[in-house]
Amino acid sequence: KQEVTQIPAALSVPEGENLVLNCSFTDSAIYNLQWFRQDPGKGLTSLLLIQSSQREQTSGRLNASLDKSSGRSTLYIAASQPGDSATYLCAVGSGNTPLVFGKGTRLSVIA
Amino acid sequence: ETGVTQSPTHLIKTRGQQVTLRCSSQSGHNTVSWYQQALGQGPQFIFQYYREEENGRGNFPPRFSGLQFPNYSSELNVNALELDDSALYLCASSRASGEQFFGPGTRLTVL
Repeated sequence: KQEVTQIPAALSVPEGENLVLNCSFTDSAIYNLQWFRQDPGKGLTSLLLIQSSQREQTSGRLNASLDKSSGRSTLYIAASQPGDSATYLCAVGSGNTPLVFGKGTRLSVIA
Repeated sequence: ETGVTQSPTHLIKTRGQQVTLRCSSQSGHNTVSWYQQALGQGPQFIFQYYREEENGRGNFPPRFSGLQFPNYSSELNVNALELDDSALYLCASSRASGEQFFGPGTRLTVL
């Protein structure tokens, strides 16, 4: 059974700092991995999707990497801003099976 | 291109009642997945519909049921509501096993 763990559970950083969020999964037989952002009480916004054959994806200040063999992914946020404050969720997909989510990392960027 | 929409936004019910939540999938998507997200947790898979047929189910009792219509919109029905059913219910649409796009969610409170 796939299990996804996200560390840390919460993170507080000053504005402008670069930061890394971590995601690990127990079964390396994945099809893809998605990083989502969730604002309080809201739905999920997809940030980056990495297919199993890819090593990383970039969008603006965000960069996500994937190491299938070690069961790890990282989300790198450059030059953090107060507007980046949210919960970041990692989810792995295995073809036709549903997404399995971690519990998320709650990020606070202090101005 | 219209995104995933859900209705209602918020709902308050009492124990024992029944509820129906609705989801309109993104244009061109034939797969709808439903997730339950309790406070402070990652979303948990309830079930998935592909071309009007149930295509996978998570660890939820039979009082959670669903439908998908010919236009690929979907309903989630929950009978005999319990206090623990209070959660954010998320709908996601996709093309088969592709990237999932989430709606804004329905916040259900059971009193």
